[in-house]
Amino acid sequence: SQQGEEDPQALSIQEGENATMNCSYKTSINNLQWYRQNSGRGLVHLILIRSNEREKHSGRLRVTLDTSKKSSSLLITASRAADTASYFCATDAGGNKLVFGAGTILRVKS
Amino acid sequence: ETGVTQTPRHLVMGMTNKKSLKCEQHLGHNAMYWYKQSAKKPLELMFVYNFKEQTENNSVPSRFSPECPNSSHLFLHLHTLQPEDSALYLCASSQSGVEGRETQYFGPGTRLLVL
Repeated sequence: SQQGEEDPQALSIQEGENATMNCSYKTSINNLQWYRQNSGRGLVHLILIRSNEREKHSGRLRVTLDTSKKSSSLLITASRAADTASYFCATDAGGNKLVFGAGTILRVKS
Repeated sequence: ETGVTQTPRHLVMGMTNKKSLKCEQHLGHNAMYWYKQSAKKPLELMFVYNFKEQTENNSVPSRFSPECPNSSHLFLHLHTLQPEDSALYLCASSQSGVEGRETQYFGPGTRLLVL
């Protein structure tokens, strides 16, 4: 069964605006990861946050994790047209298995 | 993306054909994965190999047959597929059992069309 569920399913913003995507999951996790996928290509790892962490930053990315609510958010600040892609959260509950959500399609208009 | 390569990138096959997808990782990882990505569906884990041993078969039909001859190479043998098997097949690798190395690295995928 799928763990991560992203919302919104699709997001369209203007260049320079911030984009926020949310992910909810159902069971306990070791860590939660965010990946990006350009159309029809492989996934690229963006950031990993552990279950004992609440917030993490990497460049223009900020990820939060609330284990009490079983939710995470990915914030992309000052978006660029090149950020247009699908974004997926994936939960790691151990055993070398990542469970991916359905993804959020982000379109950044220039 | 160049750390994990997949061939072919595109494949069209009939339902009676037999073909194989190949994945190679150049990252020194010990775990490899096959995923299926269909339109408008979440990424589905198919198989997991750790140190060349299969540790996960996610109820995949037997018309998909994986092979892992060593920790750098992974194959997916296909035979008598159905049109609904058309999808993007993604290979990934990771370093299993090492905290801080749980990230998976993906190949570019093979776009498969079954006619």
